[in-house]
Amino acid sequence: AQSVTQLDSHVSVSEGTPVLLRCNYSSSYSPSLFWYVQHPNKGLQLLLKYTSAATLVKGINGFEAEFKKSETSFHLTKPSAHMSDAAEYFCVVSDRQGGFKTIFGAGTRLFVKA
Amino acid sequence: GAVVSQHPSRVICKSGTSVKIECRSLDFQATTMFWYRQFPKKSLMLMATSNEGSKATYEQGVEKDKFLINHASLTLSTLTVTSAHPEDSSFYICSAGQGNYEQYFGPGTRLTVT
Repeated sequence: AQSVTQLDSHVSVSEGTPVLLRCNYSSSYSPSLFWYVQHPNKGLQLLLKYTSAATLVKGINGFEAEFKKSETSFHLTKPSAHMSDAAEYFCVVSDRQGGFKTIFGAGTRLFVKA
Repeated sequence: GAVVSQHPSRVICKSGTSVKIECRSLDFQATTMFWYRQFPKKSLMLMATSNEGSKATYEQGVEKDKFLINHASLTLSTLTVTSAHPEDSSFYICSAGQGNYEQYFGPGTRLTVT
């Protein structure tokens, strides 16, 4: 069965500094991986996705993530944090098992200090 | 892009009543729809997988008689919370897919049971 682990429940950075949100996954099949962002009391917004093409994936709002099969990781990064990036981030894995069932990580709350 | 809607966005109901939540794929046919539940400040928990024309597959610990799922067409799935209780209060999110990796998420429905 597939699973996903977000290694940090909270991350706090200063505005203008880099962001790193860590994610490790487990999958018996070739997975697809996603990062979603959720602002308070809002729905989910897709930041980026990996579906077996380029391992370095660029998303919206300056975010990117690198798929590393040897490390089973898919960490999310951004060179320079903005106040508007403060939100909850979810790493998500999906594979063919169970009909492309989508499993969410526990989430990482990003705080951005002025 | 693919759009998924949910109705209602918010609902308040009395304990003991039933509530139906609709999930629609507006511009594509969804062979599979998923229902999630999100508790405050928590991640999304997959409740069930719904395939058009067949019975839903429920995750372990989810009561199928409590959470009735119907996927009668390729653009509509419904979740009915039967005999609702205050502990059923939550944010319910659906997603829809076309049999590949990517899911498109609805904006969510906030249910409050008084």
